[in-house]
Amino acid sequence: KQEVTQIPAALSVPEGENLVLNCSFTDSAIYNLQWFRQDPGKGLTSLLLIQSSQREQTSGRLNASLDKSSGRSTLYIAASQPGDSATYLCAVRSGSSNTGKLIFGQGTTLQVKP
Amino acid sequence: SAVISQKPSRDICQRGTSLTIQCQVDSQVTMMFWYRQQPGQSLTLIATANQGSEATYESGFVIDKFPISRPNLTFSTLTVSNMSPEDSSIYLCSVERGISGLDTQYFGPGTRLTVL
Repeated sequence: KQEVTQIPAALSVPEGENLVLNCSFTDSAIYNLQWFRQDPGKGLTSLLLIQSSQREQTSGRLNASLDKSSGRSTLYIAASQPGDSATYLCAVRSGSSNTGKLIFGQGTTLQVKP
Repeated sequence: SAVISQKPSRDICQRGTSLTIQCQVDSQVTMMFWYRQQPGQSLTLIATANQGSEATYESGFVIDKFPISRPNLTFSTLTVSNMSPEDSSIYLCSVERGISGLDTQYFGPGTRLTVL
């Protein structure tokens, strides 16, 4: 059974710092991994999608990496801004096709202080 | 991308009553997904709704408690029946969109339900 863990649960940094959020999963047989952002009381916004054959994806100040063999993914945020404050969730789709269920981690709540 | 709207955005309900949540997508999709996010927890898939067939429920969720309708390819409803305080959660509708193999999951804004 796939389990997804995110550490730390919460993180507070001063504006301008570079930071890394961690996601680990127990079953390396994944189809893809997706990072989401959730603002308080809102739905989820997709940030990055990494296929199992890929090592990383970049979008602006965000870079997500994937190491299937070790069951880890990281989300790197460069030059953090107060607007980056949100909860970041990673979700893994297990199996060999896009019909597998998404399994979510519990998220890391990030606060970027001005 | 996908634009998804949900109604209501939030509600406060009494124990024993039922609430129907609506989800509308900006274009046709084969499958629509309903998730629950309990306070302080991550998302859990309730069921997958295909147009023209019965919804597929995940372990721990049953049709009598969470009946789902899918009358067409852009709309679905989730009903939370005979509510108790333990049903207080955010309920999210979701779809997948993209080139096969690169499907990205998109979410609606959620319905925040409080049961007294």
